[in-house]
Amino acid sequence: EAQVTQNPRYLITVTGKKLTVTCSQNMNHEYMSWYRQDPGLGLRQIYYSMNVEVTDKGDVPEGYKVSRKEKRNFPLILESPSPNQTSLYFCASSFRVGGAPRNEQFFGPGTRLTVL
Amino acid sequence: AQSVAQPEDQVNVAEGNPLTVKCTYSVSGNPYLFWYVQYPNRGLQFLLKYITGDNLVKGSYGFEAEFNKSQTSFHLKKPSALVSDSALYFCAVGESGTYKYIFGTGTRLKVLA
Repeated sequence: EAQVTQNPRYLITVTGKKLTVTCSQNMNHEYMSWYRQDPGLGLRQIYYSMNVEVTDKGDVPEGYKVSRKEKRNFPLILESPSPNQTSLYFCASSFRVGGAPRNEQFFGPGTRLTVL
Repeated sequence: AQSVAQPEDQVNVAEGNPLTVKCTYSVSGNPYLFWYVQYPNRGLQFLLKYITGDNLVKGSYGFEAEFNKSQTSFHLKKPSALVSDSALYFCAVGESGTYKYIFGTGTRLKVLA
């Protein structure tokens, strides 16, 4: 089954304790991305990757890191989480055709993170 | 900067009536427009997109969207709403020149039996 998986689905942690949220897709997509969803703010893009070893900042990258060492995986790293990073996080992937963002994304089930 | 606006936080419609969820956009260059739906405790699911061509785009579950270049709008429509259509709907635009996607704030659709 074609899918995007995220782990963990739920996480409660404390300020400053480094954490990683994993994301994996089995559709051979070049493009992967991380979003956070907050009430009243919709989805905001954190980072995206157009292929292995190619990443770029979205609209809200502060406090986050990413890496893309393999095509299927795109982990999100919070080196020193803070309470304002409490949110619902989604990973997404899509094919990349040409030089324009014209493809629909497939989303993972989400990771609900609480930072105390 | 490119942007997407969904002016309504919530839309209520009676089952069987037509529904419209509004979206306006601001882009430089060609607009790549998308609609997604989110059911409770689920990720987003793709409904439809406009890249080029016909202004009326048909998508999943009987939804369609009308692209209007002069009004910079991309409203989501369905001729006859179902209670099961109740969900959170997001409009999004792909930012040309980068590979960023910009989402609206979402519109909660409530279909009343």
